[in-house]
This record gives sequence, structure tokens and C-alpha cells, in this order.
Amino acid sequence: QSVLTQPPSASGTPGQRVTISCSGSSSNIGSNTVSWYQQLPGTAPKLLIYANNQRPSGVPDRFSGSKSDTSASLAISGLQSEDEAEYFCAAWDDNLHGRVLFGGGTKLTVL
Amino acid sequence: QVTLRESGPALVKPTQSLTLTCSFSGFSLTTTGMCVSWIRQPPGKALEWLALIDWDDDKYYNTSLKTRLAISKDTSRNQVVLTVTNMDPLDTATYYCARTLSGYTYGYYFDHWGQGTLVTVSS
Repeated sequence: QSVLTQPPSASGTPGQRVTISCSGSSSNIGSNTVSWYQQLPGTAPKLLIYANNQRPSGVPDRFSGSKSDTSASLAISGLQSEDEAEYFCAAWDDNLHGRVLFGGGTKLTVL
Repeated sequence: QVTLRESGPALVKPTQSLTLTCSFSGFSLTTTGMCVSWIRQPPGKALEWLALIDWDDDKYYNTSLKTRLAISKDTSRNQVVLTVTNMDPLDTATYYCARTLSGYTYGYYFDHWGQGTLVTVSS
């Protein structure tokens, strides 16, 4: 069971805006930055968002991230069929000499 | 261009040790802020971070697996090695190595990943 909690599934129709949440605690999201990853079926994860809301070059601005207290969110606007994938959040945790935590993942379906 | 590639056995027996090598190019593990992590993903399940080694040779481990993990680097060969002892069928997973960037402002994040290598634990 992951310490960072994500909804197991989300869905939307093309063109819609969807958000995926990631809930943690004061020792991880509350005191460290959050990153988000997209994993298409059968492929390695890809960095989407780092430092809560920063997009690497090449990631469309349809993807955005935010953080408030001990929770973070990934928003995808103008949903496209190719956005159908699994999404994971991650954050450093200050407990027990430091470690990285991943969320359990959210499977996004484009209807 | 940053690339990473994992290599190691595809099949190990229970109780054996697993040694995986991450060979990378396009960056140096002697540069401040550069790290390499190992992350695994059991079939159909979530990602699980295992270990990280940084430019200063500091090492961090998943606390649940710490007694079974060892990470090391060879900067001259641009390689990072992970050893997992006492393998169990529950350790069956795709193992990824990922370049990890570290900074006071941006924290830790994985910006480049290898393709992953599937390791099956079975007798």
C-alpha cells in the first residue's frame, strides 16, 4: 500500500479537462517537491512535471501541476486519446533517513 | 543525449542474489546534483523506488528493503550496480534505472529512464 494516495482510475472525453490527485503527509508532499510521470502501456515512465509545477521541454502545456499543503494535483486539459496511460506521483520523504515514495498510480481512460 | 540501459539476468532462483548493471551516457556521475536511482515495477502494479546513489557517493535505500540492497558506482565506466540478496518470487518485476536530478530548489526527480529489464524469480 502506497503512502502517496492516488485514485486508481480517472476518465474523460476528448477535449475535456481532468485532474488526478496525490495525497501525502507533512513528511513528504508537505515538505518536499512533487513530480509526475506518465507511463504508456509497455513502456518506461516519462517525466511530465517536476518541482510541483515545472514542465520539462517537450511536454505539452496541456499538462500542469500544482501543490497545496500535503496534496498535489496533475491537470490535463484538452484531453487527447494519446493521453490514455497510467500516471504516477512521487515525492521525497524525510522520515527514516530519506526515501522516495511513489503513488499507487492512476489509470486514465479517454472515452 | 542522455541514455541509460539496464542489464542482468532475466531469471534467478529463490534465495539467489541479483546483480543489475545500469550503463549510462550523456552525463557524469561526478557532476554536482547528478544521481542514479533504481526503481522496480511488479507486473500490473505500481512503481517502487529501491535505491539512489549521488555524485558524492551518498547512498539512500528503500527502508523496507534496506538490508537486502546494495548500490555502487563506477564513474570511470559510467555504470551503477544494484545487488539484491535473497531473491523471492515477490521480487519478480521490471527493474528500471533512472537518472535522478537533485537540487535544493527542485528536489529529486527522475528525468531520464532506461527501458527496463524484466527479472523473474522462479525455481
